[in-house]
Amino acid sequence: NAGVTQTPKFQVLKTGQSMTLQCAQDMNHEYMSWYRQDPGMGLRLIHYSVGAGITDQGEVPNGYNVSRSTTEDFPLRLLSAAPSQTSVYFCASSLGLLASSGAGELFFGEGSRLTVL
Amino acid sequence: AQKVTQAQTEISVVEKEDVTLDCVYETRDTTYYLFWYKQPPSGELVFLIRRNSFDEQNEISGRYSWNFQKSTSSFNFTITASQVVDSAVYFCALSEMDSNYQLIWGAGTKLIIKP
Repeated sequence: NAGVTQTPKFQVLKTGQSMTLQCAQDMNHEYMSWYRQDPGMGLRLIHYSVGAGITDQGEVPNGYNVSRSTTEDFPLRLLSAAPSQTSVYFCASSLGLLASSGAGELFFGEGSRLTVL
Repeated sequence: AQKVTQAQTEISVVEKEDVTLDCVYETRDTTYYLFWYKQPPSGELVFLIRRNSFDEQNEISGRYSWNFQKSTSSFNFTITASQVVDSAVYFCALSEMDSNYQLIWGAGTKLIIKP
């Protein structure tokens, strides 16, 4: 059972370039999310999805796009990379948002370290 | 104002000592959830515990215990007889209806256990 798989693990971009961080889960989880982790700031929510075809913005959505065409996949797109987007990105999934479906018990990927020059 | 405050940025103790990580939260909801996650040096975050606002019973799991006190809005985490493998960054988080049940994270406490 792979759990949550993120690719790539490391990426270096130049300012203005675009890229997609891939996230896939094989646990049939309805809820998926993207976080960024910066030193001293904990995790900040970028975008999330409560099911296929449904996405919503989190705390820091600017500069990022997401889509959820299948239950399994939730890619994060950087449209025009900026140095401020240098961070470690985590994809996470869970059964759902409600207490009855394991709300908050997130399963995380290993993270993707992105550097924008 | 921060909704989840972990005032201890870094704690260093010698192996076998007990250590408590503090977490103070702020919410207006009567129904909410509190969490602790562990991030070892490998980087992947691991769920440790979830508590709901109606259950103030302390929880014990092996060497780990959690003290939830609504009166002080705190959800502290204690490791008894610490081990080197406990070295990690520990995050406290809050989930509330006001925030559509998305997790609100504290800044984390880096715990260093010296042999």
